[in-house]
Order: sequence, then structure tokens, then C-alpha cells
Amino acid sequence: GQNIDQPTEMTATEGAIVQINCTYQTSGFNGLFWYQQHAGEAPTFLSYNVLDGLEEKGRFSSFLSRSKGYSYLLLKELQMKDSASYLCAVRDGAGGSYIPTFGRGTSLIVHP
Amino acid sequence: EAQVTQNPRYLITVTGKKLTVTCSQNMNHEYMSWYRQDPGLGLRQIYYSMNVEVTDKGDVPEGYKVSRKEKRNFPLILESPSPNQTSLYFCASSSPGTSVNNEQFFGPGTRLTVL
Repeated sequence: GQNIDQPTEMTATEGAIVQINCTYQTSGFNGLFWYQQHAGEAPTFLSYNVLDGLEEKGRFSSFLSRSKGYSYLLLKELQMKDSASYLCAVRDGAGGSYIPTFGRGTSLIVHP
Repeated sequence: EAQVTQNPRYLITVTGKKLTVTCSQNMNHEYMSWYRQDPGLGLRQIYYSMNVEVTDKGDVPEGYKVSRKEKRNFPLILESPSPNQTSLYFCASSSPGTSVNNEQFFGPGTRLTVL
């Protein structure tokens, strides 16, 4: 199985940049996802990394280093609506299941 | 519209009264899974299915059953619910493979309270 670690909570100021880290241990890495989840709602897909490097998508970017078992989600020009939980999920193909396992999530609070 | 639906959205029940939470997807996805979400514990996988008639245990399967008789449906069954199964439940589906198009689509969630 996987061991996925991310900070429990972070705070940031509107307009700033924040980086949310995720470290993982897995035997058959097969991709890493980031999801956003507002309170009481379903998670929604943000980004996917399977090769090393940076994937940019508007204000959000995600980075992966497979050798270090490390990823981060970078949010730029923070807006109040970015206050949410951010979930790191790792897909491990070693056991034959390609369904990701989730970390506990990072609660991001954006204040004015 | 491509979506995953769950019913009911909210349920309050009593210990020992069997219940079923339905999940249906219209995207022809092979993979479906059930998660529960509790404060401080994140999303934990209960059961998953990689195709019709193929199901397997996730990390927290005790007290739950599932079935996958049709591709679109993946009901979650609690034969004898207990208070520790009070939680927010999510169903999700995805297609097989390892590309970006294989992200999971989540249902809106079912908030279950067992008294």
C-alpha cells in the first residue's frame, strides 16, 4: 500500500502564493493526483503527474519528483474561493488495482 | 451530462437496520469505488470494483458489502449498521489506464448518521 503525508492545515493571504507538499511511499508508482474539496462537497480533479516535472494549469501547478517520492501543488494569486481542502492521491499499480489512495488532505484557509 | 449519482443524500437510521446506498454512473466506467470520509482521517477506501462481478476490499471493509451486477451500478450495503459507521460516504468511478483521463469522478456524497 501507500503511505501519503501532507500538512494538516495551512493559511495564506489573498493574492499570495502557497505551496502544499505531499510525500509518499509506494511500491509501484503509477501517477499522482491532486483534488480540491470544499466543505461538504465532492472532491474535484485539479491535476495529474506521472512523469517528473511541472504541470501548469492556469493559477494551479503541480510538481512531481518520483525519485524523492515528492509532489507539491502551487496555487498563485490566491482567491478567497480557494479556501478548501486539497487532497493528494497516489495510484499504485503493484497490487493490480489502479484506483488511487488518498492522503488526509490539507485544509487551506485564505484570509483577506 | 456525465455524472455519478448517489441516493440517498442524507440518511438517519438506527443501529441494526439494514440499509443500501445506491451509486450509478453514466460514463461507461469500468472502475468504481466507495470511500468514507471522517474528520482528520481523510478519504478511506471501503471497497472497489474493476469490472462487473469483480469486487475487492479496500482499507476499511468491515461492516460493509458491495455488489457489481451491472457496469453502471455499485451499491453499498450495511447489513447491520452501527454508530461507528456514521460518516460521509462518496462513490467514485473512473476508466482503466494510466493517463490523465483516468481521474476519478465523485458522486455528491451521502451523509449517514446511525443512532
